[in-house]
Amino acid sequence: DQQVKQNSPSLSVQEGRISILNCDYTNSMFDYFLWYKKYPAEGPTFLISISSIKDKNEDGRFTVFLNKSAKHLSLHIVPSQPGDSAVYFCAASARNAGNNRKLIWGLGTSLAVNP
Amino acid sequence: NAGVMQNPRHLVRRRGQEARLRCSPMKGHSHVYWYRQLPEEGLKFMVYLQKENIIDESGMPKERFSAEFPKEGPSILRIQQVVRGDSAAYFCASSPPLSYSGHTIYFGEGSWLTVV
Repeated sequence: DQQVKQNSPSLSVQEGRISILNCDYTNSMFDYFLWYKKYPAEGPTFLISISSIKDKNEDGRFTVFLNKSAKHLSLHIVPSQPGDSAVYFCAASARNAGNNRKLIWGLGTSLAVNP
Repeated sequence: NAGVMQNPRHLVRRRGQEARLRCSPMKGHSHVYWYRQLPEEGLKFMVYLQKENIIDESGMPKERFSAEFPKEGPSILRIQQVVRGDSAAYFCASSPPLSYSGHTIYFGEGSWLTVV
C-alpha cells in the first residue's frame, strides 16, 4: 500500500520555465512533508519541507504547496535550470503510537531540464 | 566535514561473504536510519536506530541482515552470506532528537554494494 504517491515517473521541462512535481498521500495523520533531490551516485539532499499547519513554504526558486483537503502537495521550481535535473522524492511523516516518527517515501520523479 | 559519513563508498563481495557498511552521523545527531535503493527502484526504509536501541526494523529482511548503533563508534549495517540480489546502494541518514517541529533527516553519500 503506497501511502505516498508520485504518479509521474518523469518530467521534462525547458530551461527557464516552471517545473511542477506532484505528490499525493493517503494518510491523514501525516503532518510534515519534505522534498529531497537526488543526483546519480549521490545521497538524497534535503530541499524544502512544509508543516501541515501551513499551505505554502518558499525558499528561493523552490516553493512547496500543500492542499490538505485534497491530500496533495506540489513542488514548484521557477525558473528551472539544467542543474535541477535530478530525481525528486516526496516524503511524509507522522508520529506513531510509540511517539516516534517515520518517513514514508514516494518512488520519485525524474526531472530533466533541457537547455 | 560535518556531514553524514559512510564507508566504504564501494564494496565488492563474492556470494556467501559478509558485507559491513559503516555510518557516522552528523555531529549532534543521535538517530540513524538505513535505506536501500535497488536498481531502478525508489528508496526503501530498512531500519531506524538510536544509540544502543533499535526503534523500528520493519524494513529489514528477516534473515542475514542486522544493524547496530553502539554507544561508541559508527552505526553498522551487516549483511551475512550475501547474494546477488543484495547488490544495491545503501544510504544512511541521521537526524537530531525528535521535535514537534518536524522530522528532517540528512543523508550520506551512500555505499554501493556489488555481489559477484
